[in-house]
Amino acid sequence: EDQVTQSPEALRLQEGESSSLNCSYTVSGLRGLFWYRQDPGKGPEFLFTLYSAGEEKEKERLKATLTKKESFLHITAPKPEDSATYLCAVHPYNTDKLIFGTGTRLQVFP
Amino acid sequence: DTAVSQTPKYLVTQMGNDKSIKCEQNLGHDTMYWYKQDSKKFLKIMFSYNNKELIINETVPNRFSPKSPDKAHLNLHINSLELGDSAVYFCASSTRRLNTGELFFGEGSRLTVL
Repeated sequence: EDQVTQSPEALRLQEGESSSLNCSYTVSGLRGLFWYRQDPGKGPEFLFTLYSAGEEKEKERLKATLTKKESFLHITAPKPEDSATYLCAVHPYNTDKLIFGTGTRLQVFP
Repeated sequence: DTAVSQTPKYLVTQMGNDKSIKCEQNLGHDTMYWYKQDSKKFLKIMFSYNNKELIINETVPNRFSPKSPDKAHLNLHINSLELGDSAVYFCASSTRRLNTGELFFGEGSRLTVL
């Protein structure tokens, strides 16, 4: 069964303290892996798509990487405005739907 | 100009009532979805329509009935509401059958069943 597990569930960082979020996945065939950001009371907002192992994508302080079993979202020198829940999702080959993990709730304190 | 808009944002109702949530997208997408997010933030797909045709129908009680009058609109009607239906319901859209993989979400409709 296709599955996505994210860790940690919650992460508290001091402003400027870099860290990584993990997304482990089990899927019969991966068409793509996606990272979304969700602010409280809002819908998820697309960040990145990764298609193959070794691929990396960057946006401001965020960098997403992909291996055959997991993806990491690296946050470099985070700021309080990076506080949000980060969701990982996979798109298996045999379906038209995304399967989401439960997310990592990131809080960055000044 | 909101890309995916859903109404209402909040619903509070009694068990046994019927309620509807409406969704509209102005992105020109062919595919629309309903997702349910529970209290633990887990997003699970319920339904998907591609050009008014139902293409995904997960194991959802038949009290939930989606309707797509045209490809820009997808509504969700829920009959005989139960306590366990309390959640945030998100509408989303994408290019044809998710071929770029990116979903555009609405802001959600928080349903509370008392």
